[in-house]
Amino acid sequence: GNSVTQMEGPVTLSEEAFLTINCTYTATGYPSLFWYVQYPGEGLQLLLKATKADDKGSNKGFEATYRKETTSFHLEKGSVQVSDSAVYFCALSDQGNNDMRFGAGTRLTVKP
Amino acid sequence: DADVTQTPRNRITKTGKRIMLECSQTKGHDRMYWYRQDPGLGLRLIYYSFDVKDINKGEISDGYSVSRQAQAKFSLSLESAIPNQTALYFCATSDHRDVTYNEQFFGPGTRLTVL
Repeated sequence: GNSVTQMEGPVTLSEEAFLTINCTYTATGYPSLFWYVQYPGEGLQLLLKATKADDKGSNKGFEATYRKETTSFHLEKGSVQVSDSAVYFCALSDQGNNDMRFGAGTRLTVKP
Repeated sequence: DADVTQTPRNRITKTGKRIMLECSQTKGHDRMYWYRQDPGLGLRLIYYSFDVKDINKGEISDGYSVSRQAQAKFSLSLESAIPNQTALYFCATSDHRDVTYNEQFFGPGTRLTVL
């Protein structure tokens, strides 16, 4: 079945550091890929998304590229801020059947 | 105003008690979902509903039941709560017309503790 594996945390960075959170997936067909973010005490919010190979999703300085050849969707940001501290979830959705699978989540803490 | 609301936001209950978590949405979406979140396990799907007359089991439905009272309301019940059902519960919605992305929209969560 479909599954998502993402980098275990926690990840602690200093402000303005470069961020990478790795995500790989296993799926039949052509899934859509997502990164969701969960700020403390809140629900999940969509951060970015991509629907086909080589698509790049971007939002708030974060980027991720849909790599079909490596079945990956790594999240990157060039310069993190304290306000980026949150839990990040990689997810995939099998187009057509609404079956969304989430990774375990990666907690990011950014220190000033 | 929140598009997806959940009540209660926090609940502490005892083993064996029946408890209901409620979800309402104003997004006009037809599809609704219940997930639980446990540390290190991400979100796991409990039940989902594609319209008012459609209910489907998810990955971990044992010990839970649901009711879709209207397009905008989807409740989750624990008939006899047990301590390993202590978790953070999320409701989500999606629109069947979003065939490209199939994006889901989440409520703020309900933190349930079973003693």
